[in-house]
Amino acid sequence: QKEVEQNSGPLSVPEGAIASLNCTYSDRVSQSFFWYRQYSGKSPELIMSIYSNGDKEDGRFTAQLNKASQYVSLLIRDSQPSDSATYLCAVKKNDYKLSFGAGTTVTVRA
Amino acid sequence: NAGVTQTPKFRILKIGQSMTLQCTQDMNHNYMYWYRQDPGMGLKLIYYSVGAGITDKGEVPNGYNVSRSTTEDFPLRLELAAPSQTSVYFCASSYKRGGMSYEQYFGPGTRLTVT
Repeated sequence: QKEVEQNSGPLSVPEGAIASLNCTYSDRVSQSFFWYRQYSGKSPELIMSIYSNGDKEDGRFTAQLNKASQYVSLLIRDSQPSDSATYLCAVKKNDYKLSFGAGTTVTVRA
Repeated sequence: NAGVTQTPKFRILKIGQSMTLQCTQDMNHNYMYWYRQDPGMGLKLIYYSVGAGITDKGEVPNGYNVSRSTTEDFPLRLELAAPSQTSVYFCASSYKRGGMSYEQYFGPGTRLTVT
């Protein structure tokens, strides 16, 4: 079982729609969770971090965490063409090491 | 602040050659990391460092070496390059304060091809 699994893409959504990305993790003691956005040929850029159960909103992005189900998600509302990228889910295993999922590629159709 | 910088941006190596990938951060972060990213895959941790003079292996350390003589610099050395080391290499850094460690910030990457 992989440590971090993301729903396989690619995910294609029309402009203005909601894009929903899912991530599950295997280590129950994980405490910190991150979503990175990576444009093609660029480095990962942190867009959301979440540490406690529930929802966290930042602009058009909402992260949701359910530790009992070992599940974290990212919603992108009012999707824009500029949101077209690969989204990486990362889980902090201990004080400093992250485990990354393989990523979900999102394409927003104009 | 420049953040995390990496050189070179691109490099082509022949099998058996060696090289050093440079990484520098100017944020006074104590933690630094090297990852590799293969096409369609997530990032795999090669080596990390929790401070000057302290390094440790990650998931995929074979064929690589690191050193950390200063807080700012964390070079990655490839000895006897092999085609399996063709990848994009990212350096990252993070800091710890008040018992809590924070998000990792990534450099722009080095695209390495071994032929």
